[in-house]
Amino acid sequence: RKEVEQDPGPFNVPEGATVAFNCTYSNSASQSFFWYRQDCRKEPKLLMSVYSSGNEDGRFTAQLNRASQYISLLIRDSKLSDSATYLCVVRIGYGGATNKLIFGTGTLLAVQP
Amino acid sequence: DTAVSQTPKYLVTQMGNDKSIKCEQNLGHDTMYWYKQDSKKFLKIMFSYNNKELIINETVPNRFSPKSPDKAHLNLHINSLELGDSAVYFCASSQEFGGGLQETQYFGPGTRLLVL
Repeated sequence: RKEVEQDPGPFNVPEGATVAFNCTYSNSASQSFFWYRQDCRKEPKLLMSVYSSGNEDGRFTAQLNRASQYISLLIRDSKLSDSATYLCVVRIGYGGATNKLIFGTGTLLAVQP
Repeated sequence: DTAVSQTPKYLVTQMGNDKSIKCEQNLGHDTMYWYKQDSKKFLKIMFSYNNKELIINETVPNRFSPKSPDKAHLNLHINSLELGDSAVYFCASSQEFGGGLQETQYFGPGTRLLVL
């Protein structure tokens, strides 16, 4: 079983739609949680961190449920430019440079005009 | 202005050859990483270095040898290349602030390695 599981998609949605991605992680020692975005043939870039109380950044809302080991990302009013692969990421480790990021395989989003 | 840079961007080589990939970051970060992204797009950490010291080695074959001449550089040397080494290799860096703060990892543009 992968440490971080995501539905690979693709999610094909029309512009303006609301879309939600889910992610589960298996390591209960996971400390921090993130969503990264990776465009085709580019490097991953941090989209947002995920906090226990949930957090919002513009059209993006992230939620964390530690008890269920579940993370979600909601995108409202999808834009064409949101088309990308969304990577669910958890951080485990004992502090400092021992920390490492574990990536999910990503969910592909294609926003259609 | 490039924060994390890698060279070369593309690398095509024959099986059995030895090759190196270079990485440099100008962010002043203490920690650098190498990741491998395979054909199924799965991104997995290989190594991390903190102030030139190896911290994480994720059971990577010893044909892969990272070297950090200083904290701004982390190079990856690969001996006796195999077909299965074909992938995109990403370098990244971060600054651990401590106190539970969540550091961001900044990735380089990737090196696309194809072994024939």
